[in-house]
Amino acid sequence: EADIYQTPRYLVIGTGKKITLECSQTMGHDKMYWYQQDPGMELHLIHYSYGVNSTEKGDLSSESTVSRIRTEHFPLTLESARPSHTSQYLCASSELYGGETQYFGPGTRLLVL
Amino acid sequence: GQSLEQPSEVTAVEGAIVQINCTYQTSGFYGLSWYQQHDGGAPTFLSYNGLDGLEETGRFSSFLSRSDSYGYLLLQELQMKDSASYFCAVNTGTASKLTFGTGTRLQVTL
Repeated sequence: EADIYQTPRYLVIGTGKKITLECSQTMGHDKMYWYQQDPGMELHLIHYSYGVNSTEKGDLSSESTVSRIRTEHFPLTLESARPSHTSQYLCASSELYGGETQYFGPGTRLLVL
Repeated sequence: GQSLEQPSEVTAVEGAIVQINCTYQTSGFYGLSWYQQHDGGAPTFLSYNGLDGLEETGRFSSFLSRSDSYGYLLLQELQMKDSASYFCAVNTGTASKLTFGTGTRLQVTL
């Protein structure tokens, strides 16, 4: 079944640790996105990718970085986590010419102590 | 800058009809999407308007007026499971990036 997966679903980590949030999709979509969402608030785009070896920063400045080595995989990395990074991180994907219809993963809830 | 405004909360009774409005000011505009998000869940796509007019998908309809920079989501025959947050999102055309509104929390009561 075509889907989009994120791991871990929940992560509690100490300040200064390096973390990688995983995102994989089996729909063959070219475009992938990372959003940050605080509870009860709107989604903010932090990174996106058109395809392999393509990454761009989104509208919200983020200290995280991303990579796109394979079509199906779009991991997000924080080199040194801080309490201000506490949030929910949502990964999404879409077809190359269908960006208005995005498919979201279940999200990773990150708590940095 | 980009801004999308929605009412923060709406309450309606089961079986009723509710309309959630969205006004936008964006530097580019290619269409308006609507997403539903239950508490603790991921956003799911509901509807898209690329042209003016009404789009109907089952109990949900969405409307767009480009000249008024305005759209709405209409939910009919409300069910308890419709209690969720609803986000409008503008496709600004730049790499098909979506800018999301602040979200409307819909509470359906008996």
